[in-house]
Amino acid sequence: GDSVTQMEGPVTLSEEAFLTINCTYTATGYPSLFWYVQYPGEGLQLLLKATKADDKGSNKGFEATYRKETTSFHLEKGSVQVSDSAVYFCALSLQGGSEKLVFGKGTKLTVNP
Amino acid sequence: NAGVMQNPRHLVRRRGQEARLRCSPMKGHSHVYWYRQLPEEGLKFMVYLQKENIIDESGMPKERFSAEFPKEGPSILRIQQVVRGDSAAYFCASSPFLAGGRDEQFFGPGTRLTVL
Repeated sequence: GDSVTQMEGPVTLSEEAFLTINCTYTATGYPSLFWYVQYPGEGLQLLLKATKADDKGSNKGFEATYRKETTSFHLEKGSVQVSDSAVYFCALSLQGGSEKLVFGKGTKLTVNP
Repeated sequence: NAGVMQNPRHLVRRRGQEARLRCSPMKGHSHVYWYRQLPEEGLKFMVYLQKENIIDESGMPKERFSAEFPKEGPSILRIQQVVRGDSAAYFCASSPFLAGGRDEQFFGPGTRLTVL
């Protein structure tokens, strides 16, 4: 079945460090790919998305590129801030289906000053 | 423009009681999704509804769980005879209907259910 595997956490970084959170997927069709962020006690917010191969999603300094050949959608940020501390979820949805999201288990990021 | 509203935010039930979780989608959104997040886990899809219709309930447990999205009013996720394993955060998401699909889902703050 369709699934998402993402790098296990927790991840702890110092402010201004480089961030990579790996995400790979398995899907029978041509999925759209997403990164969601969840701050403590809150719901999920869409961080960025890509709907086809080679698309790059970007937002708030975060980037991820849809790589069909490696079935990956790794999240990167060049210089993290304390305010980036949260749980990050990689997800996919399939075209033409119910558009339900299939999530990875999440990666908790803590950024220290 | 208010976001997705869920209530209550926190719900405590004893084993065997019923839990009712409510979700009001964003204005103009006709699609509602329910997801469950167990501790230390990602979100798992439960059910997808449009007004007065269940479109996909492939993630719903076969017993005790039901969902509706009436013509008027919020969507309701109902759990009968709750057990401790039902303790989780339940998130609702909504999306508009646009031709071609691929709509972003907007999430509510969740209802955290604790079963004693």
